Amino acid sequence: AQTVTQSQPEMSVQEAETVTLSCTYDTSESNYYLFWYKQPPSRQMILVIRQEAYKQQNATENRFSVNFQKAAKSFSLKISDSQLGDTAMYFCAFTNGIYGGSQGNLIFGKGTKLSVKP
Amino acid sequence: DTEVTQTPKHLVMGMTNKKSLKCEQHMGHRAMYWYKQKAKKPPELMFVYSYEKLSINESVPSRFSPECPNSSLLNLHLHALQPEDSALYLCASSQGFASGEQETQYFGPGTRLLVL
Repeated sequence: AQTVTQSQPEMSVQEAETVTLSCTYDTSESNYYLFWYKQPPSRQMILVIRQEAYKQQNATENRFSVNFQKAAKSFSLKISDSQLGDTAMYFCAFTNGIYGGSQGNLIFGKGTKLSVKP
Repeated sequence: DTEVTQTPKHLVMGMTNKKSLKCEQHMGHRAMYWYKQKAKKPPELMFVYSYEKLSINESVPSRFSPECPNSSLLNLHLHALQPEDSALYLCASSQGFASGEQETQYFGPGTRLLVL
């Protein structure tokens, strides 16, 4: 069974500093996709960054970057220059895709609640 | 444009009521999803439609009835719900083709449902 584990239920960081959120996953598939989603108190689930497993290069989106270690099945999210607006629940998620074994099902970790302090 | 819209934003209903949730996207996506999210928990998949056909029903009770009238619309019909069904209901869509960015799911803002 495919699983996603986020071992840090809560984290805090000072504004302008860097923070790293951890995520590990388990799958026997060779082709899959990994995501980080952000869910602020408003509850809208917002895509932060995505990574295709077949790509060796780590994805980056402005202040957000990932450290994808395929062999270790690790997918951490680094947030640089943290801002107050980054305060949210962050979910790591996995899918094989619509035609993969999970038929599009996004498997989520339990989430990490990040607080950015002024 | 990666917008998925959902109506209503909030819904309060009694256990004998019949109501519907609506989801709409105009991104040309061919896969649409319903998720249920309880407080402080990750979303749980309920239904997947691929090319307007039900692809996955994750053993959801029959009091939830999905409908996909066309490729842009997804409804969730609610009948005889229980208080434990109170949750945030999220709709998402993805392009539905194999590989790459097409696998990315974009979420709507959700409908917060309270069953009394």
